[in-house]
Amino acid sequence: NAGVTQTPKFRVLKTGQSMTLLCAQDMNHEYMYWYRQDPGMGLRLIHYSVGEGTTAKGEVPDGYNVSRLKKQNFLLGLESAAPSQTSVYFCASSYTSVSEQYFGPGTRLTVT
Amino acid sequence: KNQVEQSPQSLIILEGKNCTLQCNYTVSPFSNLRWYKQDTGRGPVSLTIMTFSENTKSNGRYTATLDADTKQSSLHITASQLSDSASYICVVSPNDYKLSFGAGTTVTVRA
Repeated sequence: NAGVTQTPKFRVLKTGQSMTLLCAQDMNHEYMYWYRQDPGMGLRLIHYSVGEGTTAKGEVPDGYNVSRLKKQNFLLGLESAAPSQTSVYFCASSYTSVSEQYFGPGTRLTVT
Repeated sequence: KNQVEQSPQSLIILEGKNCTLQCNYTVSPFSNLRWYKQDTGRGPVSLTIMTFSENTKSNGRYTATLDADTKQSSLHITASQLSDSASYICVVSPNDYKLSFGAGTTVTVRA
């Protein structure tokens, strides 16, 4: 039981490049989330999913897209990376909307 | 303005000592309040979850208190250990999955 895993752990992009962050959970959770964490700020919700095939915008969705083709996977895409997207990205999952959220180890992304 | 404010921003304590972290929130309506521990380079891990009707909840040496009337919570760490060095994040949920995160308090425990 690995919980929530994220790949890659680190990535450096140049402005304008694209990439996809992968989140996987093996707890059969319905809800999955993508957050970003910036220095001096609390985690902010980018996008979330309430089940396979569904996605919705969170607090800071601009510049990101997501897909939930399989229940266990939640992908976060950056189509054209910008320096403002330099951050640490966390994926989380939960069984219900009010139950505990389990977080992955994070992906540190730097956009130059 | 952040709806969850934590203080202090950081603190240093000696191993074996106690400390208390504060969290003030303006989130309304309020469903539950959570405290997470985040080790450097890791994801947050839940310590406690309290509903509005609960005043205190413990998890080992961690004790969280909640005053829903004044919208304040505290996390008390007893007999600190080196492994307690981490960031502690207060998280308030207004209804369901939409969590409001504080910026965290960084605790450093020194031998």
